[in-house]
Amino acid sequence: GAVVSQHPSRVICKSGTSVKIECRSLDFQATTMFWYRQFPKQSLMLMATSNEGSKATYEQGVEKDKFLINHASLTLSTLTVTSAHPEDSSFYICSALLGNTEAFFGQGTRLTVV
Amino acid sequence: EDKVVQSPLSLVVHEGDTVTLNCSYEVTNFRSLLWYKQEKKAPTFLFMLTSSGIEKKSGRLSSILDKKELFSILNITATQTGDSAVYLCAVRVYGQNFVFGPGTRLSVLP
Repeated sequence: GAVVSQHPSRVICKSGTSVKIECRSLDFQATTMFWYRQFPKQSLMLMATSNEGSKATYEQGVEKDKFLINHASLTLSTLTVTSAHPEDSSFYICSALLGNTEAFFGQGTRLTVV
Repeated sequence: EDKVVQSPLSLVVHEGDTVTLNCSYEVTNFRSLLWYKQEKKAPTFLFMLTSSGIEKKSGRLSSILDKKELFSILNITATQTGDSAVYLCAVRVYGQNFVFGPGTRLSVLP
């Protein structure tokens, strides 16, 4: 299957700082990538849809100024959590769309804000 | 509002048992249905289904879609402890993203 690499897998940061998470499609080009957040024992919650070369589409209730998404190339999308707070601590997962049908996930990033 | 429902939400079986996981959906502009397995980290892709009645198989796992009744099942035969995971069902709709179900947490006891 297609490979999507997400980095870092785990990060701890101080309140008020910003954290950048990268999502790369290693063996295919992805014009569309998705960013999800997952709370313990819950399903994936879509945060935003990232399209290469254009602005991301954010889901209702997701602050676009807090969760900055950049999809500058066909193989890389980044999510930056700005001015992080403890309530932003969560598991963030990206997925990349292959051939406009199948989506493959990155390994996820566990963010802890202290 | 698009919705995906999975049942059961939780299931405990013993090794060697066969399990059937259910996924039903109510969406506009259905495109495909996907099954994922999620262990400790991110989901891994299992199957994508687009046509009714065509079974997809991979080892002990199989899945089928019924677009008339709007559901899919995922079967796992001769379960092993390594099958313990959360199984997620997602529906892709045209023009939008994926709608995920809540998942079924499967525990396989030795």
